[in-house]
Amino acid sequence: QKEVEQNSGPLSVPEGAIASLNCTYSDRGSQSFFWYRQYSGKSPELIMFIYSNGDKEDGRFTAQLNKASQYVSLLIRDSQPSDSATYLCAVSGGTSYGKLTFGQGTILTVHP
Amino acid sequence: DTGVSQDPRHKITKRGQNVTFRCDPISEHNRLYWYRQTLGQGPEFLTYFQNEAQLEKSRLLSDRFSAERPKGSFSTLEIQRTEQGDSAMYLCASSSMTGGGTEAFFGQGTRLTVV
Repeated sequence: QKEVEQNSGPLSVPEGAIASLNCTYSDRGSQSFFWYRQYSGKSPELIMFIYSNGDKEDGRFTAQLNKASQYVSLLIRDSQPSDSATYLCAVSGGTSYGKLTFGQGTILTVHP
Repeated sequence: DTGVSQDPRHKITKRGQNVTFRCDPISEHNRLYWYRQTLGQGPEFLTYFQNEAQLEKSRLLSDRFSAERPKGSFSTLEIQRTEQGDSAMYLCASSSMTGGGTEAFFGQGTRLTVV
């Protein structure tokens, strides 16, 4: 079992829709959770982080964390073509203390 | 400070040659990370430093790889006797431990091609 797994893509949504990206992790000791966006050929860019159970909203982005289910998600409201990218989930803490362990990423395409 | 800086951006080398990459972190950050990323995969952890101390090195990392951060500022990653399988994007990131979590910010990466 991979330490961090993301739902297989690619994910395609129409412009204006809600995109839902999911991630599960295996280490119950994980404490911090991150979402990065990576455009083709570019480096990852931090867009959200969450430490506590529940929801955290930042503009069109909402991160959701459920530690009991070892599940973290990212919702993108009013999706735009510029949101088309690979989204990487990362965790820290537990066996990943001091560093980030990444999932394989989910490719999101927002079509006009 | 404009962020994490990596040099060079691209490197093409012949198999068997040694290569060295440099990373300059965000100035107030005391943690520095090296990752490797291949096409279609997430970044794979290589090693990280807190100040000048190398705190962890991936067990998957060959002895041909070595990293240094001699004064707790910039870092170098050297790959000796490069192999075609070393071709990848090498990413450097930095973070501050003044607060909780490890929000890490990445540089532009160095793309290595071994021919």
